[in-house]
Amino acid sequence: VQLVESGGGVVQPGRSLRLSCAASGFSFSIYGMHWVRLAPGKGLEWVAVIWNDGSNKYYADSVNGRFIISRDNSKNTLYLQMNSLRDEDTAVYYCARASGAFDFWGQGALVTVSS
Amino acid sequence: EIVMTQSPATLSVSPGERATLSCRASQSVSSDLAWYQQKPGQAPRLLIYGASNTATGMPVRFSGSGSGTEFTLTISSLRSEDFGVYYCQHYNSWPHTFGQGTRLEI
Repeated sequence: VQLVESGGGVVQPGRSLRLSCAASGFSFSIYGMHWVRLAPGKGLEWVAVIWNDGSNKYYADSVNGRFIISRDNSKNTLYLQMNSLRDEDTAVYYCARASGAFDFWGQGALVTVSS
Repeated sequence: EIVMTQSPATLSVSPGERATLSCRASQSVSSDLAWYQQKPGQAPRLLIYGASNTATGMPVRFSGSGSGTEFTLTISSLRSEDFGVYYCQHYNSWPHTFGQGTRLEI
C-alpha cells in the first residue's frame, strides 16, 4: 500500500490550490478516503471524507464551503481542491485510507498560506 | 460534534517502565476508537483500532482498552523508539474528531 501526496506549496491568502493523492498497492475503488491536516504547533485535524464511489462527502466545519474532496477511481487518485485559503489553513495535509480507523497514510504535503 | 479529551498532555517515562495514556469522549463512541503514534516529520501510524485491537505489525507492548466514553492506551515496557505524540480518534459519527494528543517523552 502506498499513498503519495503532491501539489503542496506556498500560496497567498484568498487563492486556491489542489492537492492530489496517488494510491497504489490496493483496490482504491473499494475504500473511503480522508484528508487530515497537522498545523504548526497543533494536533491532528480531520478535514474531509469521500465514500469509495464518491456518492457521499463530509467536511469539517472549518473548511466546509471552501474545500472540495473528489476522486477519480480510474486513476486511483484522491483530490482536495482548496479555495479561499486562509492563514490558518497552513499545515501538512495527509491523505489516509479508511477501514473504520485510518490504516494507511501518505507522507504529507505542506501547504503554506502567506502573503 | 464529539469532543475527544486526552490526558496527560505530556508524559515523561523511563525505558522499561509502563506508560498509561487516557482518552475521554464527550458522548459514547462504542468501541469505534483508534490510537495513532506520530513522530516528528513522519505520518501518523495506526496502533490500535476498535479500542482494543492491535494493528498489523505493531509491537505487542501496545494495548488498548475501554468502551463508551473512557479509553486507555498502555505501553507495557517503554523503549526509546516509543517517543512521539499519541492521538486518539473516534470514528463513530461525523466528524471523526481527534484528541489533542499526548506527548510521550522518554
